[in-house]
Amino acid sequence: NAGVTQTPKFRVLKTGQSMTLLCAQDMNHEYMYWYRQDPGMGLRLIHYSVGEGTTAKGEVPDGYNVSRLKKQNFLLGLESAAPSQTSVYFCASRRTSGRKSYEQYFGPGTRLTVT
Amino acid sequence: AQSVTQLDSQVPVFEEAPVELRCNYSSSVSVYLFWYVQYPNQGLQLLLKYLSGSTLVKGINGFEAEFNKSQTSFHLRKPSVHISDTAEYFCAVSRFLTGGGNKLTFGTGTQLKVEL
Repeated sequence: NAGVTQTPKFRVLKTGQSMTLLCAQDMNHEYMYWYRQDPGMGLRLIHYSVGEGTTAKGEVPDGYNVSRLKKQNFLLGLESAAPSQTSVYFCASRRTSGRKSYEQYFGPGTRLTVT
Repeated sequence: AQSVTQLDSQVPVFEEAPVELRCNYSSSVSVYLFWYVQYPNQGLQLLLKYLSGSTLVKGINGFEAEFNKSQTSFHLRKPSVHISDTAEYFCAVSRFLTGGGNKLTFGTGTQLKVEL
């Protein structure tokens, strides 16, 4: 199992450009999450999904959109990038039941710089 | 609302010395607590978790944590650290979301630096 993978690993954007970050998991997990990590602020939840075709806002959703067309994939989009979106983005997933159902599994991260 | 406070942003320690990383949480309901570790340029890896039962929780790599409800703390400890333990450590509390799933609220992290 590859676990949770993220594409790309690094990206530099100019202000106003758009891009999509891809998260894929091969563990058949129902729940998936997008977080951003900024120095001194820990991780903050952007959007999450409790199943294929469903998404919901987290604590910092502004400027981002997401889609979950397939169970294994969770896409994070930036329509018009801003320097404030410079961050490291982490995707996570978890199962819905069983002994490890509270454990979120994280991807390796995408480092995004907006100039 | 839930919040997590990690009192120390950086903790330097010599190899083979003991270490304690502090975490306090605030919550009006029962909580599930977690410690994650992040090695340089990597994602987060679960060290240990407290869901219920024994208040002393053992995790990977020799780490353990004690849940103290009266002090609302979940401090992480290791009796003897190794150079390879140099990493950032995050405490997190879980709560359920109205739409399903759970949300992890993270502390701001503690950078553990182990020196020779």
